[in-house]
Amino acid sequence: LAKTTQPISMDSYEGQEVNITCSHNNIATNDYITWYQQFPSQGPRFIIQGYKTKVTNEVASLFIPADRKSSTLSLPRVSLSDTAVYYCLVGVQYGGATNKLIFGTGTLLAVQP
Amino acid sequence: SAVISQKPSRDICQRGTSLTIQCQVDSQVTMMFWYRQQPGQSLTLIATANQGSEATYESGFVIDKFPISRPNLTFSTLTVSNMSPEDSSIYLCSVEGVGDTEAFFGQGTRLTVV
Repeated sequence: LAKTTQPISMDSYEGQEVNITCSHNNIATNDYITWYQQFPSQGPRFIIQGYKTKVTNEVASLFIPADRKSSTLSLPRVSLSDTAVYYCLVGVQYGGATNKLIFGTGTLLAVQP
Repeated sequence: SAVISQKPSRDICQRGTSLTIQCQVDSQVTMMFWYRQQPGQSLTLIATANQGSEATYESGFVIDKFPISRPNLTFSTLTVSNMSPEDSSIYLCSVEGVGDTEAFFGQGTRLTVV
């Protein structure tokens, strides 16, 4: 399973767009890139998953360059409630024989008014 | 999707004792996962629990310390045995929803060992 590297923390203000970049130089051909969000005293929650190019849902966008060695989670117009830890994971093969998640350090996003 | 209930939500235990954490899912799932999250840290996978077979433990975790049961497709337990203060953590249960591309987590059990 590929190792990921993310910034330990980021600060932002309400209404701004936040981009969190994750490096995964050893990503394998079959690996997907998945992001989870964790609030204090809660379990992680799925945000978005992608393989290449761009994926968008109602919560976020995920940008993946052609070489797939990095990815960027984009949160549009953050609010105070977006303050959380964001985890980037690669190597999750849903539907395969092994679906365990290996978490990296995560990025603590602090949104201020 | 899957809804996961963990019990207890928190507990304070004496060192040397054991605590069993229950994880109940509202749908049948093939695999269930147990994680540990130490204070201020990321999640670490303890083991994968399949129904009808022994759990598969990750490096650094052993069955004697963290015995796991998986009696059916909706339920699992994790026991933290012979506890020490170093076992103070949040323990989380996780499953993958059938047909989904995401994993679902319980709220966690916050364990404090004194």
